[in-house]
Amino acid sequence: ELKVEQNPLFLSMQEGKNYTIYCNYSTTSDRLYWYRQDPGKSLESLFVLLSNGAVKQEGRLMASLDTKARLSTLHITAAVHDLSATYFCAVEETSGSRLTFGEGTQLTVNP
Amino acid sequence: DAGVIQSPRHEVTEMGQEVTLRCKPISGHDYLFWYRQTMMRGLELLIYFNNNVPIDDSGMPEDRFSAKMPNASFSTLKIQPSEPRDSAVYFCASSYPPGHLADRFTGELFFGEGSRLTVL
Repeated sequence: ELKVEQNPLFLSMQEGKNYTIYCNYSTTSDRLYWYRQDPGKSLESLFVLLSNGAVKQEGRLMASLDTKARLSTLHITAAVHDLSATYFCAVEETSGSRLTFGEGTQLTVNP
Repeated sequence: DAGVIQSPRHEVTEMGQEVTLRCKPISGHDYLFWYRQTMMRGLELLIYFNNNVPIDDSGMPEDRFSAKMPNASFSTLKIQPSEPRDSAVYFCASSYPPGHLADRFTGELFFGEGSRLTVL
């Protein structure tokens, strides 16, 4: 059974600071996704990482994938309040199309 | 595109009542997923369909839960009878299959706004 673990689960940081969220998974996979969820809202796709070494950047967020280490990172640069949300990584099982989600990282960026 | 459409957005019902949640996927998407989100258990995959056929329903918690997809543009998730522990947000999501040329974000899920269910 595929397990996906994120850490930290809760992150409080000051505006302007940098931080990284980690996503580890337990079995082989070549596809990893990052989603953002605002309170009471749906999940919004941020990044799709489809191969080892893939790196994607959008604004202050950068995601990377190391399939050999079974690890993805979501790096936040110079955080701003608007980034406050819960971030989920999701891993696709190689045997099919189902995604398994991590527990989510609740990020709070304080002024 | 209108995106994935779910109804109702909010449902409050009493224990023992039947609940039906509805989903209209994005046109052209072959895959449809039902997820449940709770504080305790996070996001759980309940069932998914490919071309209207259920592929994996191992996440459906009990026989009280059933899902159907009678055609490519409509799916239902039914709970009968409902119990307080079924209270959650139920999300529907759809996607193209991996490798579909029309969508460079292969396998990416597009989520609906969710149906918040409260069973008293």
